[in-house]
Amino acid sequence: KAGVTQTPRYLIKTRGQQVTLSCSPISGHRSVSWYQQTPGQGLQFLFEYFSETQRNKGNFPGRFSGRQFSNSRSEMNVSTLELGDSALYLCASSPRGPALSGANVLTFGAGSRLTVL
Amino acid sequence: AQKITQTQPGMFVQEKEAVTLDCTYDTSDQSYGLFWYKQPSSGEMIFLIYQGSYDEQNATEGRYSLNFQKARKSANLVISASQLGDSAMYFCAMRAGGTSYGKLTFGQGTILTVHP
Repeated sequence: KAGVTQTPRYLIKTRGQQVTLSCSPISGHRSVSWYQQTPGQGLQFLFEYFSETQRNKGNFPGRFSGRQFSNSRSEMNVSTLELGDSALYLCASSPRGPALSGANVLTFGAGSRLTVL
Repeated sequence: AQKITQTQPGMFVQEKEAVTLDCTYDTSDQSYGLFWYKQPSSGEMIFLIYQGSYDEQNATEGRYSLNFQKARKSANLVISASQLGDSAMYFCAMRAGGTSYGKLTFGQGTILTVHP
């Protein structure tokens, strides 16, 4: 069973540019969540998508956006990049069973490491 | 709001010995779930173990066990018989409420180093 696939794995951008990251969830998983990981702030929740709809959103500016397609694949976009956006962006998928159940474990991808110069 | 605190920035353990990684949490929700993830240098987060707030038994998964003390709001991870491959960053995380499916609150992590 293939895991969560994130592309690209590494990318370098300059300030002001925009970036799009892609996430393919585990087959059958319909929920996709995105997290930002930085040395200073740690792991922070960005947003969650289910059935092509954003279900939950973290405390990030509007420059961070995402979407989910009918096949559950998801993309996140960051516009007008800032130096502080340099981070590891992790995508996670889950079957979206009962929320408070061991069956609804988030499975993470290997991440996309973004460097903003 | 939920909060996870991991007070040990780094821990060292000898191979084959047991180690406990500390985690305390704070939430006003009665129903919540607690997770431990391992993050090797490659970056991928690997799920280790889950404990629900209403689970009466401490969770166990192979060499991993979760020492859940609800009154103290602690959920410590115990790794028995440490192996060199256990060297990694370990995160404690919580999901609270019935609708926060994909939203976990993470602690700052503990770097575990296993010495041969």
